[in-house]
Amino acid sequence: DTEVTQTPKHLVMGMTNKKSLKCEQHMGHRAMYWYKQKAKKPPELMFVYSYEKLSINESVPSRFSPECPNSSLLNLHLHALQPEDSALYLCASSQGAPGGGFTYEQYFGPGTRLTVT
Amino acid sequence: TQLLEQSPQFLSIQEGENLTVYCNSSSVFSSLQWYRQEPGEGPVLLVTVVTGGEVKKLKRLTFQFGDARKDSSLHITAAQPGDTGLYLCAGAVQGGSEKLVFGKGTKLTVNP
Repeated sequence: DTEVTQTPKHLVMGMTNKKSLKCEQHMGHRAMYWYKQKAKKPPELMFVYSYEKLSINESVPSRFSPECPNSSLLNLHLHALQPEDSALYLCASSQGAPGGGFTYEQYFGPGTRLTVT
Repeated sequence: TQLLEQSPQFLSIQEGENLTVYCNSSSVFSSLQWYRQEPGEGPVLLVTVVTGGEVKKLKRLTFQFGDARKDSSLHITAAQPGDTGLYLCAGAVQGGSEKLVFGKGTKLTVNP
């Protein structure tokens, strides 16, 4: 099973709303990722959690707040977003390479299409 | 600076034609992955290559990793409309950070 699930599939929120995106994997992967993808562009890394600790924050604005409650779950809390934050938000996970590192074989979820009005 | 140069950016062909997509870099990669993504969906992992000179086949798709592990190619034989999508190469730079480096993608359209 190489499935990463994400909810919701679509989300429309106003600039004053607070919402959360959820991601789950049951592959025993120890690294999980949040990416943002704009139309016709490759995914852009936002955050990396390895062994449930935040290991990379790509200078993401504080209106995005990640959380990793356990090794299977990853949340992205959203608050006071801007219209330019509208995008496809992707979660991914990876087990890690035999020689170390977690960039090996990342599996992506279906994404959450976020629209900020 | 784009670490992974992917070409072509767009490709529109007729069903039955062959095509090749390239990913090139001046950096050495410890592994390189190819993904296919359909509109509104997440990228789906097609293959991972790790050994220089490695060739992997997935039905009509052939993936090759360069001997020096700096480049890779994806060749599709007898393309079908179902092959339509965005193809992304992504690699782990040897000795680099935990970040996966993505090419800009190749938007393939196969017309019936």
